[in-house]
Amino acid sequence: QKEVEQNSGPLSVPEGAIASLNCTYSDRGSQSFFWYRQYSGKSPELIMFIYSNGDKEDGRFTAQLNKASQYVSLLIRDSQPSDSATYLCAVSKNRGSTLGRLYFGRGTQLTVWP
Amino acid sequence: GAGVSQSPSNKVTEKGKDVELRCDPISGHTALYWYRQSLGQGLEFLIYFQGNSAPDKSGLPSDRFSAERTGGSVSTLTIQRTQQEDSAVYLCASSWGRTTEAFFGQGTRLTVV
Repeated sequence: QKEVEQNSGPLSVPEGAIASLNCTYSDRGSQSFFWYRQYSGKSPELIMFIYSNGDKEDGRFTAQLNKASQYVSLLIRDSQPSDSATYLCAVSKNRGSTLGRLYFGRGTQLTVWP
Repeated sequence: GAGVSQSPSNKVTEKGKDVELRCDPISGHTALYWYRQSLGQGLEFLIYFQGNSAPDKSGLPSDRFSAERTGGSVSTLTIQRTQQEDSAVYLCASSWGRTTEAFFGQGTRLTVV
């Protein structure tokens, strides 16, 4: 079983819609959760992180964490064509002073069409 | 520097040759990661350095791969006797350790012919 699982997609939504990206992880002791965005041919860039159960909002992005279900999601409101990218879920078993190894999912490809 | 710097950006090498990939982390960052990404694939962990602690080498795929980090700063990933399956983008990231954000460099695209 992989540490982090994501639907590979592609996920296609119209401009202005809500895009919902999902991720599950296998280690119940995981502490830190991240969403990275990767444009084609570019390096990943961090867009959200979350530690605690519940929702965390930053602009058009909301990360949701449910540790009981070992599930983390990313919602993108008012999706724009510029959001078209691959979204990578990453998990760390640590929190705080040393993150340690980050476990990445294979990513979900999102396309937002005008 | 302003960001994580990797060199070279592109490297083409013949099968069987050794290659060295360099990563210059953000100044002051204590944690450094190496990942690789094959075409259309996710990020595969290779190695993690944190300060003066022993590195986590659990992701190195074979003994042809090694990495070092000198003086807690620059890191070099060495691949000996390269094989075609080593072709990938090699990504380096660094973080302060106490923060949540790991910054990635632009990567080195390695092609073994």
